[in-house]
Amino acid sequence: EVQLVESGGGLVQAGGSLRLSCAASGFRFSTYWMTWIRQAPGKGLEWVANIKEDGSEKHYVDSVKGRFTISRDNAKSSVYLQLSSLRVEDTAIYYCATVRGYDFFEDWGQGTLVTVSS
Amino acid sequence: DIQMTQSPSTLSASVGDRVSITCRASQSISNWLAWYQQKPGKAPKLLIYRASHLEFGVPSRFGGSGSGTEFTLTISSLQPDDFATYYCQQYNTFPWTFGQGAKVEIK
Repeated sequence: EVQLVESGGGLVQAGGSLRLSCAASGFRFSTYWMTWIRQAPGKGLEWVANIKEDGSEKHYVDSVKGRFTISRDNAKSSVYLQLSSLRVEDTAIYYCATVRGYDFFEDWGQGTLVTVSS
Repeated sequence: DIQMTQSPSTLSASVGDRVSITCRASQSISNWLAWYQQKPGKAPKLLIYRASHLEFGVPSRFGGSGSGTEFTLTISSLQPDDFATYYCQQYNTFPWTFGQGAKVEIK
């Protein structure tokens, strides 16, 4: 059974940093693209970033470029999202998910809440 | 960026009803579209990919159709477990984008 467990969320002041982690199990982690998706309270879904199986290719939504960094450690079956220069509008539940092929989101974690205060 | 627009935003229906949700893309995305279901406090769940392919384990009352810029998610006979919010997502072009969601409520 695929399991994705996010951690690292919390309350941080604007301009601060956080590192989110997602621990994966139940599948061959090193053979999957991985992604982060966020959802602001009461709002819709927004794709944030994704990373290739070997970490050699990464993509970001424009609103986080230069502030967020996605990375992975295949030996630990984990994917990370470093959040820096945080803004109030980054407040959201952050989900990690597996990407089937190069395309859509197959399995999701339960999410971790990031709250950025002014 | 490709904009995805869903309609209606809210739909009131009864158990047993046939319901349809439309998703329109601001430019052609071929059939590179997925549908997800989200219940309150839960992560989204993949229902359909490549516009019409039912994900393994998803009930056959769910169906998807369309190509290019217009797509439809249909639930043939609404069940109590189906009251949720539904999102479409395009994966034709980065950045991948979602529709704003369509909430299916109990009438």
